[in-house]
Amino acid sequence: AQSVTQLGSHVSVSEGALVLLRCNYSSSVPPYLFWYVQYPNQGLQLLLKYTSAATLVKGINGFEAEFKKSETSFHLTKPSAHMSDAAEYFCAVTPRGYQKVTFGTGTKLQVIP
Amino acid sequence: GAVVSQHPSWVICKSGTSVKIECRSLDFQATTMFWYRQFPKQSLMLMATSNEGSKATYEQGVEKDKFLINHASLTLSTLTVTSAHPEDSSFYICSAYRESGLGYEQYFGPGTRLTVT
Repeated sequence: AQSVTQLGSHVSVSEGALVLLRCNYSSSVPPYLFWYVQYPNQGLQLLLKYTSAATLVKGINGFEAEFKKSETSFHLTKPSAHMSDAAEYFCAVTPRGYQKVTFGTGTKLQVIP
Repeated sequence: GAVVSQHPSWVICKSGTSVKIECRSLDFQATTMFWYRQFPKQSLMLMATSNEGSKATYEQGVEKDKFLINHASLTLSTLTVTSAHPEDSSFYICSAYRESGLGYEQYFGPGTRLTVT
């Protein structure tokens, strides 16, 4: 079984500040990990994914995440927040070799001008 | 890149009627598709796995007689909400898997907003 915990349902940052969205996972087998972004009334867009290659994963829009097995974490970061980053972000996990994805509860990012 | 479409993007129906939502993979064939529902300000909950040419696999707690899934072709899966009630109002999202050299890539549709009055 696998699960994802996202700490903080709402995060507010100032424009230009560091973005840090936290995600911890639990998986009985080596996982694949994902970060998705969702804008209002839209589907999900893949930001980045970890599939057992490099532990530091770079994604679109300047986001990156680091897989830390010892901490069972996959936190999402961006050095400088932009107004367009305001959205809901979901961390997700799937066991390697499987397709069923489990999503976290989401973190809504607010960017303050 | 791969594109998954959903139709309609939003629908309003009266209580007791049925609504069909289509999920199409536009530029690839998908043997497996997934249906999710998302309540306001909540995460996505997997409802069922749709397999081309066979019966869907429903998650625990999802009424298969209420949420009928048909995956008749490699590019189309449909979700029919039968005898809809206001509590079925939600955002429904499908996803499709495409096999690639790196394994499977999952692509999400844009979602369908269902409002039952």
